[in-house]
Order: sequence, then structure tokens, then C-alpha cells
Amino acid sequence: DAGITQSPRYKITETGRQVTLMCHQTWSHSYMFWYRQDLGHGLRLIYYSAAADITDKGEVPDGYVVSRSKTENFPLTLESATRSQTSVYFCASSEHKISGANVLTFGAGSRLTVL
Amino acid sequence: DQQVKQNSPSLSVQEGRISILNCDYTNSMFDYFLWYKKYPAEGPTFLISISSIKDKNEDGRFTVFLNKSAKHLSLHIVPSQPGDSAVYFCAASARTGTASKLTFGTGTRLQVTL
Repeated sequence: DAGITQSPRYKITETGRQVTLMCHQTWSHSYMFWYRQDLGHGLRLIYYSAAADITDKGEVPDGYVVSRSKTENFPLTLESATRSQTSVYFCASSEHKISGANVLTFGAGSRLTVL
Repeated sequence: DQQVKQNSPSLSVQEGRISILNCDYTNSMFDYFLWYKKYPAEGPTFLISISSIKDKNEDGRFTVFLNKSAKHLSLHIVPSQPGDSAVYFCAASARTGTASKLTFGTGTRLQVTL
């Protein structure tokens, strides 16, 4: 399927467990992003990637790890999940643009609950 | 420090009337502003954008106004329809090197009533 897909859509885990959220896009977009959505905070950037093997921290990176070995995939790993990481996670991608608005296209989200 | 603020968590408007959603920002380096719409259990979808050098952009029923001196933008929806009921996020971008990241506001839930 064309587009950007996230898996799993729903995940329940326990404190201390490792969790990986997957993100796959079919457009060969250069940029990929991970955001988390929490009530009262809107969408906050966790990590982003400008290209394969290039990643950088966003606003709230602590407790998360990312990798980008292939352009189309950008997995997000919680190495030791905590309750404060209960959230809805959105992956997004965009083209590299020299000018103009940088329009991100989002996946449907992954709802993670940490017990 | 919230660089993009949406001070109204919710808004209720009658069908056919105008909906006005507001957004304030603090960073004068923002070069583009975008509005996203989000339905439950779906990802945000892009609605409309405006460059910092413009003061208005219109697309069908949606118009975004930018007041740079006040660091304020607004989204007008005319006429409002029940399908417009969603959460609306204001976002702003600032180019850092080759990356252009979006900073989002906290969202405004719009309910359009019959």
C-alpha cells in the first residue's frame, strides 16, 4: 500500500520492557519524524531524520532510540518503557524542499499504554 | 516554553456559521505556518499553509490570516459543516540547516452543531 504505515496500532506493555514502534513510507521521502501526542501538550517532536543514517534529537528525546538504515523505515524504540511514555505516537515524512512550506504527511498513529 | 500556543481548547459553532480558530507564536524566526486537522484514531492531515511574507491565504472554505506584528494567526472556516468537527493544530516551521521541523500548538477541538 502506498503511503505511510505504522505498526502496531495499539500496544500494551509493562514498565521496563523494550518496545519498538515501526514506521514505513513508500514515497522515498528524505525526512522522517516521530511525534508524541499528549493532552495539554499537542504534538511534540521526539526524533527526526534527514536521510538514511542521519538522525537528530527533537524536543523530547529522552528514553527513546531511533535508527534509519533504510530510507523507507524509521523505527522508534523505547529501551525501558516508563508510564510517562504512555501516549499516541505519530510517524511523519516529508520531501526535502529548498523553499516552501514543509508539509508533513502523518501515519495513523500507534497508541502505547505502559502499565 | 511553548513557542506555538492555541489558547482555546475547544470551540462550538453552529452549522453554516463562521468558525475562527486562533494561534499565537513567540519565535520570530518561523517562516511558514500550517494548519492540520485531526479526526479521532487518525493521523493529522494538512489543511492550509501561509508564508510569513503573506498576510492571507485562501483555499475554498478555509482562509488563514497572519498578523506578524502581533505574532498571531487565525483559521477561518466559512461556512462551517458538521464534517469540520475535529481537532485543529496550528504548526510553525523554522529552517535549521537543511531541516525544516514543525512545532505544534496544543490543538483546538471544533464541534460544529446542527
